Amino acid sequence: SQKIEQNSEALNIQEGKTATLTCNYTNYSPAYLQWYRQDPGRGPVFLLLIRENEKEKRKERLKVTFDTTLKQSLFHITASQPADSATYLCALKGRGSQGNLIFGKGTKLSVKP
Amino acid sequence: GAGVSQSPSNKVTEKGKDVELRCDPISGHTALYWYRQSLGQGLEFLIYFQGNSAPDKSGLPSDRFSAERTGGSVSTLTIQRTQQEDSAVYLCASSLQGTANEKLFFGSGTQLSVL
Repeated sequence: SQKIEQNSEALNIQEGKTATLTCNYTNYSPAYLQWYRQDPGRGPVFLLLIRENEKEKRKERLKVTFDTTLKQSLFHITASQPADSATYLCALKGRGSQGNLIFGKGTKLSVKP
Repeated sequence: GAGVSQSPSNKVTEKGKDVELRCDPISGHTALYWYRQSLGQGLEFLIYFQGNSAPDKSGLPSDRFSAERTGGSVSTLTIQRTQQEDSAVYLCASSLQGTANEKLFFGSGTQLSVL
């Protein structure tokens, strides 16, 4: 069956370090992969989208990689700040209708000052 | 409006009662999605509307759940004969056309508690 796994439920790092979050998937052949940020009591907010023919995408301190051979995406936050503390979700389009975006369970990132 | 609006933000109900949750998508967005998020769990897809096409109901967990979208805008998710396991945050999202490369805009959700 189709599955998305974010293999760390929680990640604690020190301010200024680089946070690396992992998203693995099985039984998918996604053309796109998205990353979202979710703060407590709020809905997810879109961060980045990467296409299958893009190896890497950057936006300010964020970097996403997409390896279709390994079926894995890595999400990096460089020079992390306490304000980056949140839950980060990866998402893929599942089989079926175009709208069926499947989300991982998320990784809760805590950046300590 | 400026963003996706959901109401109520919190709903407490008794087991066996029916509830209606409302979603106002971003104006002009043709695609609308409902997700459910239980404590410590990921987002569970429920239903998807796109324009005038038949909705994708493949994620609805039982026939107690239904949703409609009137006039291509506002959507209502109805849960009949609520059960305690229905307690969760119900999130609505919209996107411009519903294609796979589009970002979703989420509301803040409705926290449903079934006692």
